[in-house]
Amino acid sequence: AQSVSQHNHHVILSEAASLELGCNYSYGGTVNLFWYVQYPGQHLQLLLKYFSGDPLVKGIKGFEAEFIKSKFSFNLRKPSVQWSDTAEYFCAVNGEGNTPLVFGKGTRLSVIA
Amino acid sequence: SAVISQKPSRDICQRGTSLTIQCQVDSQVTMMFWYRQQPGQSLTLIATANQGSEATYESGFVIDKFPISRPNLTFSTLTVSNMSPEDSSIYLCSVELAGSYEQYFGPGTRLTVT
Repeated sequence: AQSVSQHNHHVILSEAASLELGCNYSYGGTVNLFWYVQYPGQHLQLLLKYFSGDPLVKGIKGFEAEFIKSKFSFNLRKPSVQWSDTAEYFCAVNGEGNTPLVFGKGTRLSVIA
Repeated sequence: SAVISQKPSRDICQRGTSLTIQCQVDSQVTMMFWYRQQPGQSLTLIATANQGSEATYESGFVIDKFPISRPNLTFSTLTVSNMSPEDSSIYLCSVELAGSYEQYFGPGTRLTVT
């Protein structure tokens, strides 16, 4: 069965600090990987996705993630966070053939001035 | 992308009653999913709802408790039956566009059972 682990429950950073949120998955086949963001009071939005090709993917708002197959990881990064990045971040995975998404437990990011 | 709306956006219900949540999409989609997000937790898939067939439920969820309808390619309902306080949660509808592995989520329905 698929599973997703997010290492950090709550991360607190100052503005302009760099961000890296860990995500590891367990799955035996080809996977599609996603990061979703949920801003306070808003619904889930897709930040970025990886299907195939270049393992370094860029998403919206300056976020990027790197797929490292040998480590079963898909960590999210941003070189300089802003206060507006305060949100809950979810890593998710699915397999080929329209399988449902499996989500990690989420990481709450708080950015302070 | 897809624009998804859900009704109601929130409700407070009494124990033992039922609530039906509606999900409307602005385009025709084959795959629709219902998730639950309990307070402080991640999303858990309840069921996959495909038009023209019975919904497929995940382990721990049963049709008698969470009946689902999918009458056409743009609409689905989820009913939470015989509610208890443990059903207090956010219920989310999502869709997967044909030819894409991306899922788009509705705004959710925040349910509180007293």
